[in-house]
Amino acid sequence: KQEVTQIPAALSVPEGENLVLNCSFTDSAIYNLQWFRQDPGKGLTSLLLIQSSQREQTSGRLNASLDKSSGRSTLYIAASQPGDSATYLCASPANQAGTALIFGKGTTLSVSS
Amino acid sequence: GAVVSQHPSWVICKSGTSVKIECRSLDFQATTMFWYRQFPKQSLMLMATSNEGSKATYEQGVEKDKFLINHASLTLSTLTVTSAHPEDSSFYICSVSTSAGGLPGGYTFGSGTRLTVV
Repeated sequence: KQEVTQIPAALSVPEGENLVLNCSFTDSAIYNLQWFRQDPGKGLTSLLLIQSSQREQTSGRLNASLDKSSGRSTLYIAASQPGDSATYLCASPANQAGTALIFGKGTTLSVSS
Repeated sequence: GAVVSQHPSWVICKSGTSVKIECRSLDFQATTMFWYRQFPKQSLMLMATSNEGSKATYEQGVEKDKFLINHASLTLSTLTVTSAHPEDSSFYICSVSTSAGGLPGGYTFGSGTRLTVV
């Protein structure tokens, strides 16, 4: 069964820095990997979805990569802003497309102005 | 992607009472919905998979008689926490997978329900 790990658990950076969040998974037969953002006490907002056949996806200042062979995904945030402060979660289907997601424990990001 | 509406966003109830949480897929016919629970500073843990027109599939350790799931239509799944106790206080959130026709899609989540049992 898929297991997902995220490091670091928390990260604090000054505004303007570029940063990388890491996600690793145990089963390389991954169907897709999705990055979410969660604000305190709120639901999840989907940021980027990378299909198994893709290596990266970009949306604005966000870029997510997927390396199945190494079991890793990274979320790159360029020119961080205080509004980026949130918990970032990566997740992958448990064992096939359409099944429940397995989540990492998240990285809580704090961007100071 | 799909739009998922979850209601209520927060609820406070007395110990021993029951609480119903609704999850609606507004623009997508969801044969399957997922219910997760999130304790403070923890990640989301799957509670059960809700299947339209049939019984839900519960994860190990989740009491099916305590967490009643009904998925009577393609757009609505409900989670009822029966005889709630303080240890049931948590953040409950539902999700819809937009996979269709064998193509792996993403997942859309409701806004979550903060349950506090006093």
